Amino acid sequence: GESVGLHLPTLSVQEGDNSIINCAYSNSASDYFIWYKQESGKGPQFIIDIRSNMDKRQGQRVTVLLNKTVKHLSLQIAATQPGDSAVYFCAGPNSGAGSYQLTFGKGTKLSVIP
Amino acid sequence: DGGITQSPKYLFRKEGQNVTLSCEQNLNHDAMYWYRQDPGQGLRLIYYSQIVNDFQKGDIAEGYSVSREKKESFPLTVTSAQKNPTAFYLCASRPPGDRVIEAFFGQGTRLTVV
Repeated sequence: GESVGLHLPTLSVQEGDNSIINCAYSNSASDYFIWYKQESGKGPQFIIDIRSNMDKRQGQRVTVLLNKTVKHLSLQIAATQPGDSAVYFCAGPNSGAGSYQLTFGKGTKLSVIP
Repeated sequence: DGGITQSPKYLFRKEGQNVTLSCEQNLNHDAMYWYRQDPGQGLRLIYYSQIVNDFQKGDIAEGYSVSREKKESFPLTVTSAQKNPTAFYLCASRPPGDRVIEAFFGQGTRLTVV
């Protein structure tokens, strides 16, 4: 199966700066990854996904980069705002489960300093 | 509005009691999932169901039971056999088709043993 993990459990950034949240994975056959945002006391919300045939994907203020050589992906948030404060999870497919299960990393808590 | 509804938001259980957490979705999704989240941890899969009247154990199924009598509903029972049930429980569903990957989450139920 897949194993995903984030590099840092916490990250503090100044409002207006860019944030970079990193994630490593173990299964080189994983064909997609998803980033979720979880605000305190709420369920995770989908942010962006990326397929393994892509190196980069951009959304609104967010960019995900995928480096298959070192099995690493990152989520970049431009001009970080107080509303971006949350826990961010990367998730990848658990290929061993046979039903497109998602394996989640432990999450990085992003705190935005006003 | 389509979505996933979990109830109750907060639940208190006495030692030795069984409790049932509700999860309902009106998204017409075939697959439904239950995850457990502990502080500072990622999401761990308890049970999942790909179709009505069928469900499979996840990574931490011991002490839990589920049923899937209707497509819209996937209740989770936390039994007295679960020795450490205090956690945040998340229900998710996923659209049909093996190339669609995003899981949609409910807002969670926080269970506390008193």
